Amino acid sequence: DQQVKQNSPSLSVQEGRISILNCDYTNSMFDYFLWYKKYPAEGPTFLISISSIKDKNEDGRFTVFLNKSAKHLSLHIVPSQPGDSAVYFCAAWGQGNLIFGKGTKLSVKP
Amino acid sequence: GAGVSQSPSNKVTEKGKDVELRCDPISGHTALYWYRQSLGQGLEFLIYFQGNSAPDKSGLPSDRFSAERTGGSVSTLTIQRTQQEDSAVYLCASSLAGAIQWEQFFGPGTRLTVL
Repeated sequence: DQQVKQNSPSLSVQEGRISILNCDYTNSMFDYFLWYKKYPAEGPTFLISISSIKDKNEDGRFTVFLNKSAKHLSLHIVPSQPGDSAVYFCAAWGQGNLIFGKGTKLSVKP
Repeated sequence: GAGVSQSPSNKVTEKGKDVELRCDPISGHTALYWYRQSLGQGLEFLIYFQGNSAPDKSGLPSDRFSAERTGGSVSTLTIQRTQQEDSAVYLCASSLAGAIQWEQFFGPGTRLTVL
């Protein structure tokens, strides 16, 4: 049973617009969440994180929002750029290791 | 500096054969993780090493899977009697220590194909 869910396998966005990637989780004990970005033939790279004591964390064009009551987080990319095209994984820190979602493939069209 | 490296980058094997996958973590990183990503799936945790402590093997899918970490550095993931469902990308990650505040750095992965 998946504890971290990314229900959209893909997302296509026009350059300059906002990209919103969503993630849901089931375990209320998770207290730290991360987003990773993965290009083909490369390992995932850390993008941004958020602790459960916060509801927002911002880093440049990337902002992560956490809604604990809904067990939902989202990653906003504004403005989106073609170089942002990649697979984005949501992950939760639980029981000593990272639990990943299946990923969402983002395509940013010029 | 050098990142996490993995070898081979690609491995094709026949069903029933044993395979060994290697991971060289970033120098000085005490924590090492193995994950696998099957087609259409997320990253699945396999095993975690932290310093000289006993590894957390809770993610290993069967007793055909084992891993070692020699001298607190290089790690080898061994899959015995490979099955077609073992086909996946196997990713290794390392971090300074095994806690969430330490970022995990991933290697490029080994793509395993079992025919």
